[in-house]
Amino acid sequence: NAGVTQTPKFRVLKTGQSMTLLCAQDMNHEYMYWYRQDPGMGLRLIHYSVGEGTTAKGEVPDGYNVSRLKKQNFLLGLESAAPSQTSVYFCASSYSMGSPNQPQHFGDGTRLSIL
Amino acid sequence: AQSVTQPDIHITVSEGASLELRCNYSYGATPYLFWYVQSPGQGLQLLLKYFSGDTLVQGIKGFEAEFKRSQSSFNLRKPSVHWSDAAEYFCAVGARNTGFQKLVFGTGTRLLVSP
Repeated sequence: NAGVTQTPKFRVLKTGQSMTLLCAQDMNHEYMYWYRQDPGMGLRLIHYSVGEGTTAKGEVPDGYNVSRLKKQNFLLGLESAAPSQTSVYFCASSYSMGSPNQPQHFGDGTRLSIL
Repeated sequence: AQSVTQPDIHITVSEGASLELRCNYSYGATPYLFWYVQSPGQGLQLLLKYFSGDTLVQGIKGFEAEFKRSQSSFNLRKPSVHWSDAAEYFCAVGARNTGFQKLVFGTGTRLLVSP
């Protein structure tokens, strides 16, 4: 019963490097979300997806790209990492057909440091 | 757009004492309301949620919350705190749209439990 799995759990990058964070869910959820968590700011929505092949911008999308090629996966990309993107990143998913009013399920997070 | 305020950044409670964490929201209609808990190094775990109906909501781990429309509040309570309750607590509000939850999180309240 894995739920939401994020890969990797930790990563250190140099400024300008690129990387992709992977989120996988096994609950057949339609909606998936990427958040970043910074001290004193709670969680802020970066991008989200309401279904396979669709993505949309959240509150803080600049510097990030996402893709949802498969229903169970939601990828978050940093094309050119900046120190301001040092954060903890959380993926979440929600909504199964027939069970609309269900809360978001969160992964354990990816701790990303940009030097 | 919705917003959430958690006025207390830190709260210290003695083990066995009662707890109340405050949450105030702003939203034009009846919102979805959630409380999540985050233990160090972990993802967010849902404690309880309010969608409709009874305004006193019971959650896991002995927590409850009361939705008060007149005060735009959704405070979290527990009658007797255990040392294992030490964590960060997030209140979140979601706009009503079947299945999809564009949540806005508060900045969190860190609970410390003293012996």
